[in-house]
Amino acid sequence: NAGVTQTPKFQVLKTGQSMTLQCAQDMNHEYMSWYRQDPGMGLRLIHYSVGAGITDQGEVPNGYNVSRSTTEDFPLRLLSAAPSQTSVYFCASSVLGGTEAFFGQGTRLTVV
Amino acid sequence: AQSVTQLDSHVSVSEGTPVLLRCNYSSSYSPSLFWYVQHPNKGLQLLLKYTSAATLVKGINGFEAEFKKSETSFHLTKPSAHMSDAAEYFCVVITASGGYQKVTFGTGTKLQVIP
Repeated sequence: NAGVTQTPKFQVLKTGQSMTLQCAQDMNHEYMSWYRQDPGMGLRLIHYSVGAGITDQGEVPNGYNVSRSTTEDFPLRLLSAAPSQTSVYFCASSVLGGTEAFFGQGTRLTVV
Repeated sequence: AQSVTQLDSHVSVSEGTPVLLRCNYSSSYSPSLFWYVQHPNKGLQLLLKYTSAATLVKGINGFEAEFKKSETSFHLTKPSAHMSDAAEYFCVVITASGGYQKVTFGTGTKLQVIP
């Protein structure tokens, strides 16, 4: 049982480069979300989705795009990486309306 | 509004002594409460969860937490600290309303265990 799988685990980007962080879940969860973790700030919501074709912004969406073409996948795109996007990114999924979240193992991104 | 306050950013204990990590929350809805642990450069691991059943929740690795509605607290405890407990701990509140989920993380407590 894979749960929530994030790839890559580590990534270094140059300023201005673009990339996609992948997130896949095999639990048939409708709700998926992306968070960034910064020291002393806990996790902050970037974008979320309540089902295929439906996405919305969270607390810190600037500089990130998402799409949800299937129930399983919820990729996060950095359009033009900036050093301020250096962070650890977590993807999560849950049953719609549920009160438990399942987290991936995180992607550690460094923008130089 | 929903919020989580972890009252200590750093806690230091000696190996073999009790651990207490404090968490207070506020929520307009009946919350589910969680504690996660994160070891250095690792992902989030679920320690325990409260989802409106027993107020004393037992988790993995000897940790437990008690949900106290009157005090809006969900403190994490362990009778005897082990060196492997050194990590960062996050208290999390999750509520669901109208099909949408709101997840709020505390800012974390770093636990240091002194040999």
